[in-house]
Amino acid sequence: QTVVTQEPSFSVSPGGTVTLTCGLSSGSVFSGYYPSWYQQTPGQPPRSLIYNTDTRSSGVPDRFSGSILGNKAALTITGAQADDESHYYCVLYMGSGIWVFGGGTKLTVL
Amino acid sequence: QVQLVESGGGVVQPGRSLRLSCAASGFTFSGYGMYWGRQAPGKGLEGVAVIWYDGSNKYYVDSVKGRFTISRDNSKNMLYLEMNSLRAEDTAVYYCATVSSGWSFESWGQGTLVTVSS
Repeated sequence: QTVVTQEPSFSVSPGGTVTLTCGLSSGSVFSGYYPSWYQQTPGQPPRSLIYNTDTRSSGVPDRFSGSILGNKAALTITGAQADDESHYYCVLYMGSGIWVFGGGTKLTVL
Repeated sequence: QVQLVESGGGVVQPGRSLRLSCAASGFTFSGYGMYWGRQAPGKGLEGVAVIWYDGSNKYYVDSVKGRFTISRDNSKNMLYLEMNSLRAEDTAVYYCATVSSGWSFESWGQGTLVTVSS
């Protein structure tokens, strides 16, 4: 069974930079998995941030960026703001109509 | 702009059925694949099912195969999820979402809560 791994939690100082990662229980993440990232605050639906590894969704500030770092997908937030405090989910497309969600990272800005 | 509005959630006893709907507007519904995802209370997101833009292909997560059926009516801009033999572990907020050309979920509805309890 494929498991997508994310850090359970992370903290960043206001104005700081943080990189969240998205890995596979076995194997490397590469662009062919079409990594996407979503932000979710409590009581709200997910919001698309990044798709196709590094493409920002409409309206997403350029301080959010996606990449492949080593064998993982990565979401980098540069100049973190208080309202970036959220859960962040990575999703990988495995093909044949199958997507696998990571467990999410709870980001604290303090 | 894109609007997705889920409905049909509620409290249902184990073993019973429920049908969720998702009304779409603001985009060409018939040109998009559509997805149902869910989120149990206090838990992360989980995929449930996807249907291709024309209904030609449907895929389900293993935990709902044989119990849930995804369908769509492009003439009405509607997406559905028929849920049978419901279990306590199906309790979650159910979201519908559009599937983009980049194999991601571009727009999400606000969700509808399904509670399976006796």
